[in-house]
Order: sequence, then structure tokens, then C-alpha cells
Amino acid sequence: EAQVTQNPRYLITVTGKKLTVTCSQNMNHEYMSWYRQDPGLGLRQIYYSMNVEVTDKGDVPEGYKVSRKEKRNFPLILESPSPNQTSLYFCASSAGTRSYNEQFFGPGTRLTVL
Amino acid sequence: KNQVEQSPQSLIILEGKNCTLQCNYTVSPFSNLRWYKQDTGRGPVSLTIMTFSENTKSNGRYTATLDADTKQSSLHITASQLSDSASYICVVSVMYSGGGADGLTFGKGTHLIIQP
Repeated sequence: EAQVTQNPRYLITVTGKKLTVTCSQNMNHEYMSWYRQDPGLGLRQIYYSMNVEVTDKGDVPEGYKVSRKEKRNFPLILESPSPNQTSLYFCASSAGTRSYNEQFFGPGTRLTVL
Repeated sequence: KNQVEQSPQSLIILEGKNCTLQCNYTVSPFSNLRWYKQDTGRGPVSLTIMTFSENTKSNGRYTATLDADTKQSSLHITASQLSDSASYICVVSVMYSGGGADGLTFGKGTHLIIQP
């Protein structure tokens, strides 16, 4: 089944404790992206990657890192999480960088930083 | 500044009724407009996409319209069902001529509740 998977689905952590949220897609997509979704603000792009070893900042990149060493994986790293990073995170992938390529979203990761 | 405004913020209707959700945008240069459905606790799923030259697109009971002159789109849901309860997100794209990815501007969504 074609899908985007994220792990973990739920995570509660404390301020300053490094964490990684994994994202993997099995559709051989070139483009992958991370979003956060907060009440009243909608989806906001954190980082995106147009291909292996190519990443770029989205609208809200502060406090996050990403890497794209393999085509299928695009982990999101929070080196020193803070409470304002409590949010619902979505990974997405699409066949190309043009917007007519549909983005397929993962199931989401709900992160709480205490 | 590129913006997408959706209305209403939330809507409650009875099962079987029709409803229309609105999306106004100030994105330029316009490339396409996509409507997503997001069930609670799930990722968004694309319903329709329309380019500049298209003014209507259907997907089952969902019909999207686009007026590129007034920069408005609507999503009409016919004969609503309980499973239509979700958030509906309007996303407008800017096509960049350079080598980068297209820019996406997301609306904040309309939260729709269908009551039996």
C-alpha cells in the first residue's frame, strides 16, 4: 500500500531533550516536506526537500533540523525542544516539486513538550 | 503578501443538507487551487485541484468552483453524510519559474460538523 508513515504517533517529552520524528514514504517520491499544525494557524511548512541531499527552509524552520540521506526517509530533528514546539506534525511527499503533484500526508505526530 | 482566507471558520448542518464553503485568496502569480479534507487526527487528503482555466471540478458529492477574476473558490457538498464531518482546507499555489519548489499558501480551514 502506498503510504507515508511517521513515528512516533504520540510523544511527550521535556524541554531540552533531543528527539527525532521519523518519516518514510514507499512511493519513490522526490519531494518531501514537514508541516506543523496549530489551532487557529493552520498548516505551516517547516522544511522541505526536493531530492536526496537537497533541503530548504519553509516558513517556520527555527528550532528544527532535517536530513535527506535516502530518498524514502526525511527525519525531523528537534535538538533542544521547547514548549512552543508543542504541536501536531505532518510529513508529506509528492512525485515532484510542482504543485499539481498531489501531496500525500502521513498520519501525524502529536508532540507535547513540557 | 500571499494570503488565503476561508469562511466560515466552523459550520454545523444536518445530515442530508447541502453546504458551501468559501475560499478567498490574494496569491500571485496564481498556479492552482486545491481543496483538502482532513478527518480528525488524520493527515489531509486531496479532494480536487483546479488551474486558472478551470472553473469547476467535481469529486463525487464534492464540487469545487473557481473564479480567477475575483480570486474566489467554493466547495459545495451535496447531500451531506456523517462521514463529511472534517476540516476542509484550501491551498493556493504559486508557480516559480526558477528551480525551486512551488510555493503553497494554506488556509486555516473550515471545521464542518454533520449532525444526524
